Amino acid sequence: AQRVTQPEKLLSVFKGAPVELKCNYSYSGSPELFWYVQYSRQRLQLLLRHISRESIKGFTADLNKGETSFHLKKPFAQEEDSAMYYCALGRSYIPTFGRGTSLIVHP
Amino acid sequence: GAGVSQSPSNKVTEKGKDVELRCDPISGHTALYWYRQSLGQGLEFLIYFQGNSAPDKSGLPSDRFSAERTGGSVSTLTIQRTQQEDSAVYLCASSLNLAANNEQFFGPGTRLTVL
Repeated sequence: AQRVTQPEKLLSVFKGAPVELKCNYSYSGSPELFWYVQYSRQRLQLLLRHISRESIKGFTADLNKGETSFHLKKPFAQEEDSAMYYCALGRSYIPTFGRGTSLIVHP
Repeated sequence: GAGVSQSPSNKVTEKGKDVELRCDPISGHTALYWYRQSLGQGLEFLIYFQGNSAPDKSGLPSDRFSAERTGGSVSTLTIQRTQQEDSAVYLCASSLNLAANNEQFFGPGTRLTVL
């Protein structure tokens, strides 16, 4: 079965510290993977997708097919990065989202 | 143009009443999705539409839930005989089509509270 696992419900770091939000997936085909973000009082929006291989707001994510992972990383967290982050697997016609990780960046 | 819109933004209802939630997707987007967002549960997929057609309704939590889409645009999610466990934020999203690598554009959600 297709599944997306985000093992951490909450990640708390201090400003300037590195951050890594974990995402593991289970899918037999070739995955399309995304990270979506929801800032306080804003709607859910796309942060980045693996196919673009780009860095957005300092975040990067590399697809590791061997480990079936798509972890989101940023070398130096900022307070404005505090938000809810969802990893998503696009497959067939039914997208699968992880349960989300709440990132809190303390000053 | 405008993004995805949803109405109402908040709905408080009594247990046993029916509610109707509305979604206006981005113009030209043929794919439309409904999700339920509960505290600690993440995003639960409910149903998708390609045009006016919903080929797979297995994600709907019970037969009290139904959805339709007309004119390839507006969609409504109806919950009959609401229960307290239906309380959640209901999100709608649209994308250009059903291709797996397409970005989904989300609406602001409808917060449903069942008393």
